Amino acid sequence: DAGVIQSPRHEVTEMGQEVTLRCKPISGHDYLFWYRQTMMRGLELLIYFNNNVPIDDSGMPEDRFSAKMPNASFSTLKIQPSEPRDSAVYFCASSLDRVRNTEAFFGQGTRLTVV
Amino acid sequence: AQKVTQAQTEISVVEKEDVTLDCVYETRDTTYYLFWYKQPPSGELVFLIRRNSFDEQNEISGRYSWNFQKSTSSFNFTITASQVVDSAVYFCALSGPNSGYSTLTFGKGTMLLVSP
Repeated sequence: DAGVIQSPRHEVTEMGQEVTLRCKPISGHDYLFWYRQTMMRGLELLIYFNNNVPIDDSGMPEDRFSAKMPNASFSTLKIQPSEPRDSAVYFCASSLDRVRNTEAFFGQGTRLTVV
Repeated sequence: AQKVTQAQTEISVVEKEDVTLDCVYETRDTTYYLFWYKQPPSGELVFLIRRNSFDEQNEISGRYSWNFQKSTSSFNFTITASQVVDSAVYFCALSGPNSGYSTLTFGKGTMLLVSP
């Protein structure tokens, strides 16, 4: 398996523009997570899905952020409009069902810079 | 609420030295899971180990070993005979039943620099 695939790896955009980050989880994994990593706050959970359904989005910073999972093999995280403080590395991760509580496998991340 | 503390922000060692990375956690749950992840300079997060709260046996995997002590709420990670390739940021993390054990609460990480 290729692992969790994120695109793009790097994104530079101007303030006010819409940004869409993409993720393809590992096939067969029931859970998908979006995390954000910044120097100030470290790694923090934004939202997670179980079987394509959003379960907890309490970590989404504000309404400018939205996430979707239209099918088991694809998820997006959208920021509209983007702001400089959104600059961070965004990670997508996936894992098998919670009964087995398997570890989360992370993608390589998308480094977002908003100027 | 859950919390993971990695008090060491950065550690520098010379190759072949042993090094221990500390992790202290807080949780009210009686059942929980602890993890260590490695983030090399390339940026990805690599899973290293998962332990559940009922298993306090220490674990060894090659040069890596983990010491889980429930009495002190610690889950420390030791690298024996460190190598330059061990240079990375190491994260300790915790999951609990509130999220069905699905989500991770991370510590701030410890940057390990191993020089030749």
